[in-house]
Amino acid sequence: GQQLNQSPQSMFIQEGEDVSMNCTSSSIFNTWLWYKQEPGEGPVLLIALYKAGELTSNGRLTAQFGITRKDSFLNISASIPSDVGIYFCAGQLGTGNQFYFGTGTSLTVIP
Amino acid sequence: GAVVSQHPSWVICKSGTSVKIECRSLDFQATTMFWYRQFPKQSLMLMATSNEGSKATYEQGVEKDKFLINHASLTLSTLTVTSAHPEDSSFYICSARGLDHPGNEQFFGPGTRLTVL
Repeated sequence: GQQLNQSPQSMFIQEGEDVSMNCTSSSIFNTWLWYKQEPGEGPVLLIALYKAGELTSNGRLTAQFGITRKDSFLNISASIPSDVGIYFCAGQLGTGNQFYFGTGTSLTVIP
Repeated sequence: GAVVSQHPSWVICKSGTSVKIECRSLDFQATTMFWYRQFPKQSLMLMATSNEGSKATYEQGVEKDKFLINHASLTLSTLTVTSAHPEDSSFYICSARGLDHPGNEQFFGPGTRLTVL
């Protein structure tokens, strides 16, 4: 299957700091999704991106669909303790239903 | 909208028994449902894709006779782990996609933790 690499693998930040993470692939995707997963729960959809270059916000979260269509970025501004969790990107190729998930970025926010 | 439930949320069973997990879309019709498994601190691995009324499509390496999937209606899919063994212990998560979601977004259930003794 497709390999989506997320970076960084984990982050430990102070409350109030901004966070940036990215997801890269060797393949071109036509849709990118960003999810957050908390322990023992299913992933929750945060942002969906459909066009190269698209920049979409959801509250303090902003995600971008990379121009090359091989990457995507997620930023969280002014982090708070409840932002703690694992963030996954998911990409869909040009055809088919399947989304491929990234390796995840674990975020810890220190109050 | 776009709520997906799973039942049970947690199950413990003896080795050799079968376990059925249900996935329901509560407020939309799910034309496609997906089943994933997730090991601790790892990403989600797609097991199979099921479309309502047709046979599931399994990913390479997933035994279709061991992981039986039924998608009998637009709101319900079931995953049955047959003759479960300890190595089948994992977190199983379903997701669903419907006609109301033109962007192909998948909405996940809360997951089912399976422990096989």
